[in-house]
Amino acid sequence: DTAVSQTPKYLVTQMGNDKSIKCEQNLGHDTMYWYKQDSKKFLKIMFSYNNKELIINETVPNRFSPKSPDKAHLNLHINSLELGDSAVYFCASSQLGAYEQYFGPGTRLTVT
Amino acid sequence: AQTVTQSQPEMSVQEAETVTLSCTYDTSENNYYLFWYKQPPSRQMILVIRQEAYKQQNATENRFSVNFQKAAKSFSLKISDSQLGDTAMYFCAFINTDKLIFGTGTRLQVFP
Repeated sequence: DTAVSQTPKYLVTQMGNDKSIKCEQNLGHDTMYWYKQDSKKFLKIMFSYNNKELIINETVPNRFSPKSPDKAHLNLHINSLELGDSAVYFCASSQLGAYEQYFGPGTRLTVT
Repeated sequence: AQTVTQSQPEMSVQEAETVTLSCTYDTSENNYYLFWYKQPPSRQMILVIRQEAYKQQNATENRFSVNFQKAAKSFSLKISDSQLGDTAMYFCAFINTDKLIFGTGTRLQVFP
């Protein structure tokens, strides 16, 4: 069974479109995260949710809107996609206070 | 601000040899965790090893061990008996609350 899953794994779209990436974890964790890995492989946190409540929002453009319908799911919606949004987006989960984070397989987003 | 520095963008090692990847970090916190993550070409982020800052003993996981020097804020990863499957990007990461802060990564190539 996959612990943290993301769909889709690849996403190619045009500038100006709106797209969503879904994330689900079956580890029973209460905290989920979105990270962005740029073309130079640098990984940076974007958002963190604990029990459906936003706890970290790292100066991300408001075109990015995370949504957590329940503590096992954290989706990322991106409006008006720009070329600079091309990256790999990773979802991760952990139990609050446990520090160890488990990552999904990543979604490679390409904006043309 | 907390930062993580990996000064070796690329390293190479011959199969069966030992290699050490360097990492330094900067924090004013006393309690935190350090991690090494491996990212093979498959893109999956795999936790290799973790170290709690309050533990003086260096963590070991099979062929992977760390040299944790808290006063020097240094956290290097030693890979013994290198295998072809160790070829990957390696990221050092720091956490003290919820936010993982990553270094820029070291690309390790293992040659036969």
